[in-house]
Amino acid sequence: AQSVAQPEDQVNVAEGNPLTVKCTYSVSGNPYLFWYVQYPNRGLQFLLKYITGDNLVKGSYGFEAEFNKSQTSFHLKKPSALVSDSALYFCAVRPSGSSNTGKLIFGQGTTLQVKP
Amino acid sequence: KAGVTQTPRYLIKTRGQQVTLSCSPISGHRSVSWYQQTPGQGLQFLFEYFSETQRNKGNFPGRFSGRQFSNSRSEMNVSTLELGDSALYLCASSFHPGTSEAFFGQGTRLTVV
Repeated sequence: AQSVAQPEDQVNVAEGNPLTVKCTYSVSGNPYLFWYVQYPNRGLQFLLKYITGDNLVKGSYGFEAEFNKSQTSFHLKKPSALVSDSALYFCAVRPSGSSNTGKLIFGQGTTLQVKP
Repeated sequence: KAGVTQTPRYLIKTRGQQVTLSCSPISGHRSVSWYQQTPGQGLQFLFEYFSETQRNKGNFPGRFSGRQFSNSRSEMNVSTLELGDSALYLCASSFHPGTSEAFFGQGTRLTVV
């Protein structure tokens, strides 16, 4: 079965420190990978995506993610966390192939808490 | 450019009733997907429409249905509501359903009592 795993329910970091939110996936073929952020009572906001090419992708608000095909991972990173980064983060996979276009499979989400 | 608009934002319905939720995608986007978000199950894919055709359907009972109009606006309908249908329903649109990122609306919070 196709799935996305975010092994940490919550990640706590101090403001100014680097942060990593982990994501691994189990999908056949070459999937497209996405990160989204959700603030309370809001929809999801797109952060970044990996389709093909350079394994390190840069996105909004200083976030970046590293695609590792051999480890089937797509971890989200930021060199210096801000208190305003505190939110719920979702990793999502879109399986490649015409029968799956549009459909996103989401991880369970990781709450990021950045403390001053 | 206006974002994805979902109406209404909040709904309270009684068990057994039916409900219709509306989604207006970003102008030019022809792909619309729907997701259900609950604390227990997380984000689950309901269905996807492209050019008025349902292309994908998630693992939900037939009480959940949807449609897309020629202007790409979409509606989803849930009949015979159950308490477990209480959730945040999110609509997302994208320019190209394959490689393009999906843009989400703020959601409709449905409470079934």
